[in-house]
Amino acid sequence: GAGVSQSPSNKVTEKGKDVELRCDPISGHTALYWYRQSLGQGLEFLIYFQGNSAPDKSGLPSDRFSAERTGGSVSTLTIQRTQQEDSAVYLCASSETTGDQPRTQYFGPGTRLLVL
Amino acid sequence: AQTVTQSQPEMSVQEAETVTLSCTYDTSENNYYLFWYKQPPSRQMILVIRQEAYKQQNATENRFSVNFQKAAKSFSLKISDSQLGDTAMYFCAFMKHSTGTYKYIFGTGTRLKVLA
Repeated sequence: GAGVSQSPSNKVTEKGKDVELRCDPISGHTALYWYRQSLGQGLEFLIYFQGNSAPDKSGLPSDRFSAERTGGSVSTLTIQRTQQEDSAVYLCASSETTGDQPRTQYFGPGTRLLVL
Repeated sequence: AQTVTQSQPEMSVQEAETVTLSCTYDTSENNYYLFWYKQPPSRQMILVIRQEAYKQQNATENRFSVNFQKAAKSFSLKISDSQLGDTAMYFCAFMKHSTGTYKYIFGTGTRLKVLA
C-alpha cells in the first residue's frame, strides 16, 4: 500500500519568505509527527498530532513555526519569515495507535528546505 | 527527561563481517519501546528492529539483532554478515507511552560504512 508522502521533495526559498510543507500520512494512521533533521544531526522533534486531541507543540523552535492537520489526515507545516538556520530536511512520520503493538513510525522521504 | 545517546558518530566494517552499534538511554519509566532505524543515502527512514522493554528476549530480524540490557539501559544493534546495502545512518530511538500519547526521542545517529 501507499506509504507516507511529502511534498515538495526539495524547496529553495529566500530569507524572509513563508513556506508550506505537506505531509500525507498512511491511511488510517491517527498519529502524525514532524521532525527536523539538520545536516549531520539526528532528528529533532517538532510537533505531534494524535487523533482529534490538541497537538503537542513542545518541539516547535519558535513562533514562526506552525502546523495543522485537517480532517485528521493531511498535515501542513508552515514556516513564516524563513531564516537560513531553518535549512534542513523536514521529515514526517505516521503511526497507528490501536492495539498493543509498539507504535512503529513510518517515515516519508522528507522535504529538503534551503533558505538562501 | 529521557535522552538517547549514540557514542559512535562513524563506523566502518568489512563486507561479510559483524559490527555492533551502541546506544544508551536514560529514563525513569518502566514501560517503553526501543527502535533502530536505518537512513540510507536516499534519505528514507526504514525500521530495522524494535524491542519492547517488558520482554527479556532480545529481538532478532534476519541479520539484525539487539542486545537489550534493561538494567544498564543499553540497546546495541548487531549486524551480522554485513552487506554493502547496509551502508547508512543508523538511529536509535526511545518511545514512551503516556496517557494515549506516544513520543519518540532519537539519538544523533551512527554513520556506518560497509567496505568491499
